[in-house]
Amino acid sequence: DIQMTQSPSSLSASVGDRVTITCQASQDISNYLNWYQQKPGKAPKLLIYDASNLETGVPSRFSGSGSGTDFTFTISSLQPEDIATYYCQQYDNLPFLTFGGGTKVEIK
Amino acid sequence: EVQLVETGGGLIQPGGSLRLSCAASGFTVSSNYMSWVRQAPGKGLEWVSVIYSGGSTYYADSVKGRFTISRDNSKNTLYLQMNSLRAEDTAVYYCARIRRQHGGFDYWGQGTLVTVSS
Repeated sequence: DIQMTQSPSSLSASVGDRVTITCQASQDISNYLNWYQQKPGKAPKLLIYDASNLETGVPSRFSGSGSGTDFTFTISSLQPEDIATYYCQQYDNLPFLTFGGGTKVEIK
Repeated sequence: EVQLVETGGGLIQPGGSLRLSCAASGFTVSSNYMSWVRQAPGKGLEWVSVIYSGGSTYYADSVKGRFTISRDNSKNTLYLQMNSLRAEDTAVYYCARIRRQHGGFDYWGQGTLVTVSS
C-alpha cells in the first residue's frame, strides 16, 4: 500500500498570508497526486489534479507542485473562505487510492 | 448538471446489514468509474470501493469480504451493500465519480451517515 503523509496536521495563519502544505508518498508516484478542499459538513472538492493542474473554476491563488515522493500545496494569499481541511490523494496505485491525513487551516 | 444523491444511511446494530444507494443524474454511471469514500466522525477520508465501467470491482482491505459495490444501469444508480457491520464502520459515506484521466474524484454526493452501535 502507498502511504501518504501530510504536514502539518493543522495550521493557523492570517488573511493574506502564504500557506504551504506538504504531502509525502511512501514510494515514487510520479505526478499522480490530487488535492482537495473540504469545508465543515460538506463533501470534498477537487482543486488540483496531476500535482499541479488547477481544476476548472478554482481560484489561481491555489497551486501545487512536486513529483516523485514530495509534493507541495500552496495558497498564495489566504482568504477567509479558504478555511477548510485540505487532503492530498494518490492514484499511482489505481484502483487502490489513498488520502493523506489532512491539514486543517484556520485563521489567526 | 451532474448530481449524486446518497440515501440509505442510519443506525444499525453491530453485525447488521445496510444498503446505500447513490442516484446519479447528468451523466451515465455505467460509463464511468464510480467509488465510495467514507469519513469517520472527526477523521480523514478513506477510500472504500470502486466499480469500473467494465464491471470490475475493488475494495479496501478494511471492508473486503463484507461490502459489495454494484450498480443498476436502468436506474443510473450505484449501491454499497454492507454486511457484518462493525463499530469502526461508523462514518459518513460518500459516493463519487472518478475522472479516469487523473484518478481524481471530480463529483461527490452530499454523504449519508451510517452509525453502527448497540
